[in-house]
Amino acid sequence: AQKITQTQPGMFVQEKEAVTLDCTYDTSDQSYGLFWYKQPSSGEMIFLIYQGSYDEQNATEGRYSLNFQKARKSANLVISASQLGDSAMYFCAMREGWGDYKLSFGAGTTVTVRA
Amino acid sequence: GAGVSQSPSNKVTEKGKDVELRCDPISGHTALYWYRQSLGQGLEFLIYFQGNSAPDKSGLPSDRFSAERTGGSVSTLTIQRTQQEDSAVYLCASSLVTSSYNEQFFGPGTRLTVL
Repeated sequence: AQKITQTQPGMFVQEKEAVTLDCTYDTSDQSYGLFWYKQPSSGEMIFLIYQGSYDEQNATEGRYSLNFQKARKSANLVISASQLGDSAMYFCAMREGWGDYKLSFGAGTTVTVRA
Repeated sequence: GAGVSQSPSNKVTEKGKDVELRCDPISGHTALYWYRQSLGQGLEFLIYFQGNSAPDKSGLPSDRFSAERTGGSVSTLTIQRTQQEDSAVYLCASSLVTSSYNEQFFGPGTRLTVL
């Protein structure tokens, strides 16, 4: 079974608008962490934001925020005020358990920002 | 400071040959990870090393794949008798396991093409 599901293969967003990227996860662990990474066309993976399973508040990092709904097992990424440089592939990932640090990644969502 | 580096950046080989991919993690990082990204796919975990512990090899797809980490630093991923399905980008990441979220820093990857 897929541990991380990203249902949107591609999305278009107008510059300066907000966009929400969906991510649902599956785990039986109580302790886990959720990550979002950005991969531009150049190929490097850039860490954006992290949410721990015990964190009570949604994580925010600049224009990035994570809408964490634990009961629904979803961790959607919101990018506010989109910029042309936001065009990239975005991956949701999860670390499960305590002391196990490998990540399981979703298939990714391609975001294209239009001027 | 220097990030994660990988070499070579590109490798073209013939089916049946062995290849070695190298990863230099960020200095001082205790954990090192290998992932594989096939065309249009998400990242697939292969193996990870954490300090002096036995490596987690649970993601290696076959016994043709092996990896070692010498002196707690540089790592080499070896693929023996390469097959065309091994063609992918191989990404290395490292992390400093002191925080709860253990952010992984990725290298630029090695693009492997098996003819």
